[in-house]
Amino acid sequence: DIQMTQSPSSLSASVGDRVTITCQASQDISNYLNWYQQKPGKAPKLLIYDASNLKTGVPSRFSGSGSGTDFTFTISSLQSEDIATYYCQQFANLPYTFGQGTKLGI
Amino acid sequence: QVQLQESGPGLVKPSQTLSLTCTVSGGSISSGNYYWSWIRQHPGKGLEWIGYIYYSGRAYYNPSVKSRVTISFDTSKNQFSLKLSSVTAADTAVYYCASMHCSGGTCYFDYWGQGTLVTVSS
Repeated sequence: DIQMTQSPSSLSASVGDRVTITCQASQDISNYLNWYQQKPGKAPKLLIYDASNLKTGVPSRFSGSGSGTDFTFTISSLQSEDIATYYCQQFANLPYTFGQGTKLGI
Repeated sequence: QVQLQESGPGLVKPSQTLSLTCTVSGGSISSGNYYWSWIRQHPGKGLEWIGYIYYSGRAYYNPSVKSRVTISFDTSKNQFSLKLSSVTAADTAVYYCASMHCSGGTCYFDYWGQGTLVTVSS
């Protein structure tokens, strides 16, 4: 299985801050990586697909980059409604695997 | 807008079989662009993909549960189902059904059910 390692596991930031989360794959996954947001008690929601493509309707303050084994997820200006846990997920190989999550708080 | 809804018992006894159904509305389970998936989340933990079924009937399971899991579908009811046998407390989790959209080499989970907590306990 491809292991996905996110860093940090938790993060505290202020409204307006620039926030960056990293995700590292245990092997080359090209750009076959997605990012999800999960709020407490809710299902995950797709934000970014193919490492850098913003899903339609998702605010432009969210962005993603990277290829190969190293990926970055950025919120350019943190809003209070962005408090959630964020997961990366690879679809290069079966079984699909997720990172352990990054819990973002204010 | 596709919507998914899980249903099934919230409590299962150890060694028994966990059975859940996902009802799909707003889209056809026979659509060739979707892989119908089950994903679980242990309490306070991350996400684990269990497996998927494609409209052709082809299924793929995570090796972590492969010997115990079956995913099937009922096109007449636009539903797909999960069966997980010989459950233990380690199978206690929130179970989500989700649609994985695949097109042009990209795949992502775009629609999710709200999730259902299944507790394994005697």
